Amino acid sequence: EAQVTQNPRYLITVTGKKLTVTCSQNMNHEYMSWYRQDPGLGLRQIYYSMNVEVTDKGDVPEGYKVSRKEKRNFPLILESPSPNQTSLYFCASSLGGTSLQQFFGPGTRLTVL
Amino acid sequence: GQNIDQPTEMTATEGAIVQINCTYQTSGFNGLFWYQQHAGEAPTFLSYNVLDGLEEKGRFSSFLSRSKGYSYLLLKELQMKDSASYLCAVLTDDKLIFGTGTRLQVFP
Repeated sequence: EAQVTQNPRYLITVTGKKLTVTCSQNMNHEYMSWYRQDPGLGLRQIYYSMNVEVTDKGDVPEGYKVSRKEKRNFPLILESPSPNQTSLYFCASSLGGTSLQQFFGPGTRLTVL
Repeated sequence: GQNIDQPTEMTATEGAIVQINCTYQTSGFNGLFWYQQHAGEAPTFLSYNVLDGLEEKGRFSSFLSRSKGYSYLLLKELQMKDSASYLCAVLTDDKLIFGTGTRLQVFP
């Protein structure tokens, strides 16, 4: 089944404890992206990647890192999480850039205490 | 700046028709998407408009007027399962910018 998977789905952590949220897609998509969704603010793009080894900042990149060593994987790294990073995170992928529909993962609900 | 506006909430009755509007002011325009998102779930693609006019897909239609910076999503023959948030998103030169979404509640 064609899909985008994220792990973990739920995570509660404490300030300053490094964490990684994994994202993987099995559709051979070139484009991958991370969003966060907060009440009243909608989906905001954190980072995106047009292809392997190519990453760019979105609208809210501060406090996050990403890497794209393989086409299928696009992990999101929080080196030192803070409470303002408590949010619902979505990974998405598309065949070629944002002009094509994006397929979203199931989401990761992160709470930073 | 980038600005996408849509109503926060709407209500409608099962079997009725509802129109969800979206206005935008963005630097660059390469198309407009509508996504549906049920509570606690991922957004799913509904439609994509890049040219002016109406695109029909079953019970859902989407309209675009680039000169007015305006789009709407039309849902016909509403069903209870259509209760969800509807996200308008504009593709600018290099980014997809989302509105805050319209939460639609369908009542029997």
